[in-house]
Amino acid sequence: AQKVTQAQTEISVVEKEDVTLDCVYETRDTTYYLFWYKQPPSGELVFLIRRNSFDEQNEISGRYSWNFQKSTSSFNFTITASQVVDSAVYFCALSEAQGYGGSQGNLIFGKGTKLSVKP
Amino acid sequence: DGGITQSPKYLFRKEGQNVTLSCEQNLNHDAMYWYRQDPGQGLRLIYYSQIVNDFQKGDIAEGYSVSREKKESFPLTVTSAQKNPTAFYLCASSIQGATNYGYTFGSGTRLTVV
Repeated sequence: AQKVTQAQTEISVVEKEDVTLDCVYETRDTTYYLFWYKQPPSGELVFLIRRNSFDEQNEISGRYSWNFQKSTSSFNFTITASQVVDSAVYFCALSEAQGYGGSQGNLIFGKGTKLSVKP
Repeated sequence: DGGITQSPKYLFRKEGQNVTLSCEQNLNHDAMYWYRQDPGQGLRLIYYSQIVNDFQKGDIAEGYSVSREKKESFPLTVTSAQKNPTAFYLCASSIQGATNYGYTFGSGTRLTVV
């Protein structure tokens, strides 16, 4: 069955430290998409990145980078030189192309990782 | 600008009352979703609708009801049957069947039972 696991419930770091948020997923589909969302204290989920299952190339966007490894079913997110503004809850999510049981297109979320960056 | 509007931002309900949360989108999306968020629980799917006049139960539909009479609107009613309604509620929308698209989220409604 499809599942997304974010084993880290909370992480606390000091500003300028690097931090990696882990995401492990399970799916039967060969075509699927992975997402990361950020939820700041205001509450709205903000889209960060989307990857498809055929593209294992890592991606870097400023201080953010993502490491997608199909061999370990992981899609980890690293923040380099963290800042206080990075404090938020981060969600990893999975969307399946087939979507068994009528769930095609529905996002399956992990439980989120709360990141606190202290000055 | 296109987006999703949830209202109100904060809502207080007395025990035994029904209350309706509004969700409106002008993105021309077919699919809409309601999630409930509790501390440490992540996002749990309440109901979703992939087309007008049709909707399906999610993982925690008991005590909730929805309607989808218009493409733009997907209101959620929290009924008196919902025993623990205090939570943060998020509405989202997506292009139906577009598995690579992801969701656009509203800013949420925080419901408190008093």
